[in-house]
Amino acid sequence: QKEVEQNSGPLSVPEGAIASLNCTYSDRGSQSFFWYRQYSGKSPELIMFIYSNGDKEDGRFTAQLNKASQYVSLLIRDSQPSDSATYLCAVRGTSGTYKYIFGTGTRLKVLA
Amino acid sequence: DGGITQSPKYLFRKEGQNVTLSCEQNLNHDAMYWYRQDPGQGLRLIYYSQIVNDFQKGDIAEGYSVSREKKESFPLTVTSAQKNPTAFYLCASSSLAGNPYEQYFGPGTRLTVT
Repeated sequence: QKEVEQNSGPLSVPEGAIASLNCTYSDRGSQSFFWYRQYSGKSPELIMFIYSNGDKEDGRFTAQLNKASQYVSLLIRDSQPSDSATYLCAVRGTSGTYKYIFGTGTRLKVLA
Repeated sequence: DGGITQSPKYLFRKEGQNVTLSCEQNLNHDAMYWYRQDPGQGLRLIYYSQIVNDFQKGDIAEGYSVSREKKESFPLTVTSAQKNPTAFYLCASSSLAGNPYEQYFGPGTRLTVT
């Protein structure tokens, strides 16, 4: 079982719709959770982080964390063609470690 | 202008040659990391360092070496022992002061070995 799992996609949504990206993780002691956006040929850009159960909103983005079920999700409201990218989920492990485990990413395509 | 710089952006080398990739940060971050990304794959950790003059192997350290003589700098050497060195190399850094210890990335170096 992979430590951090994401559906590779592509996930296609029409412009203006809500895109929902999901990530599951295996280490129950994981502390912090991150979403990165990576455009083709570029480096990952941090867009959201969350470390408490529940929802965290920032503009059009909402991160959701459920530690009991070991999943974290990212919702993108009013999706735009410029949101088309690969979204990487990353997890910082058990307290005391400064290693981050990345999923392989979900490719999102927003159709104009 | 705060951030992480990596140089060069593109690097071409012949097989059998060692090559050093530069990474500098002015964010005053304690921890620095090197990852490798291959097409269609996630990020794999090569080495990381939490403090000057100390570093730990990641998941794929074989054929790579690092040094951390200054807080701001964490160069990566790709040696001739690395079997498949062609990849996109990403340097990252994070503060160790306060949750969630978010990690930021440099622009990357694309290495091609022929």
